[in-house]
Amino acid sequence: QKEVEQNSGPLSVPEGAIASLNCTYSDRGSQSFFWYRQYSGKSPELIMFIYSNGDKEDGRFTAQLNKASQYVSLLIRDSQPSDSATYLCAVNIYSSASKIIFGSGTRLSIRP
Amino acid sequence: GAGVSQSPRYKVAKRGQDVALRCDPISGHVSLFWYQQALGQGPEFLTYFQNEAQLDKSGLPSDRFFAERPEGSVSTLKIQRTQQEDSAVYLCASSGEGTPETQYFGPGTRLLVL
Repeated sequence: QKEVEQNSGPLSVPEGAIASLNCTYSDRGSQSFFWYRQYSGKSPELIMFIYSNGDKEDGRFTAQLNKASQYVSLLIRDSQPSDSATYLCAVNIYSSASKIIFGSGTRLSIRP
Repeated sequence: GAGVSQSPRYKVAKRGQDVALRCDPISGHVSLFWYQQALGQGPEFLTYFQNEAQLDKSGLPSDRFFAERPEGSVSTLKIQRTQQEDSAVYLCASSGEGTPETQYFGPGTRLLVL
């Protein structure tokens, strides 16, 4: 079992709709959870991080964390074509404060 | 301000050749990370420095991979006797003491081993 799992997609969402991206992780002791966006041929950029159970909102983005279910999600409201990218879920594993494990990413396509 | 820079941006090496990849982190960032990203995959952790100390090298795939950061700033990732499976994008990231959870990535070095 991979430590961080994501559906590879592609996930196609109409412009203006809500895009929902999901991620599960295996290390129950994980403390920090991250969502990165990566455009094709570019490096990852951090969108949000979350530590506590529940929701964290930042503009059009909401991260949701459920530690009991070992599940993290990212919601993008009012999706725009510029949101088309690969979204990487990453988890800071318990055994190493510095080590972040990335999932393989979900490709999101926003259709006009 | 200046972000993380990496050089070269592209490197083509013949199998068996040694290569050196450079990373200039954001000024003042104490933490520096190296990742390897294969096509269609997420970045895979290679190693981590705090200042000049290499605190975690558990992700280095073999003893052909070596990283250093002698003065706690610029870092070099060296790959000896390159193999075709080393072809990937090598990403460097840095983070500061104030926001350790925020890693800023460089543009990466795309390595192709023929």
